[in-house]
Amino acid sequence: EPEVTQTPSHQVTQMGQEVILRCVPISNHLYFYWYRQILGQKVEFLVSFYNNEISEKSEIFDDQFSVERPDGSNFTLKIRSTKLEDSAMYFCASKRYSNQPQHFGDGTRLSIL
Amino acid sequence: GIQVEQSPPDLILQEGANSTLRCNFSDSVNNLQWFHQNPWGQLINLFYIPSGTKQNGRLSATTVATERYSLLYISSSQTTDSGVYFCAVGYAGGTSYGKLTFGQGTILTVHP
Repeated sequence: EPEVTQTPSHQVTQMGQEVILRCVPISNHLYFYWYRQILGQKVEFLVSFYNNEISEKSEIFDDQFSVERPDGSNFTLKIRSTKLEDSAMYFCASKRYSNQPQHFGDGTRLSIL
Repeated sequence: GIQVEQSPPDLILQEGANSTLRCNFSDSVNNLQWFHQNPWGQLINLFYIPSGTKQNGRLSATTVATERYSLLYISSSQTTDSGVYFCAVGYAGGTSYGKLTFGQGTILTVHP
């Protein structure tokens, strides 16, 4: 069964540095999402992406965040100047049609020092 | 935005016992998914169930969309069922692109 693939599985970065989290959604999917989960808390929506543009974003998704789908297969989340509170598990998800379930990757655990 | 409440927050069982987890939501949805988060943090999709009833082995789920709740049943629990169970809901249509809103989760511990 096709899977959503995320890399790296764990990223450790110094505060203030830029990080790029990478995702390869399922190949024929059209809707893409990023979520984050701070340790011990619930999963929170960050941003959705459809038709090569951001379709919806949460209050968390401020100017330090950006997303790209640079080549039709990868879907990236960039955090420009990381803060301690950005430490979390970041999940990528995708789906083919609006009335179908979202498929989640295994997540990238981001640790900011 | 939509509110999602899960109950109970914690559940401790002996192996072999049955359990019911509940998810209440505050608005109309056309997407509801149940996930199991394992100790490695992976979100395992259990059910996509915006309405009706589904069964998969020892697990089954029912969503009554008109009354805004869903139930997850675990029968004959095993130690490997331990973890956090999340309900997530969303609406796709119009200007909404189906983002999921997660509940706080139910932490299930199954003792041998």
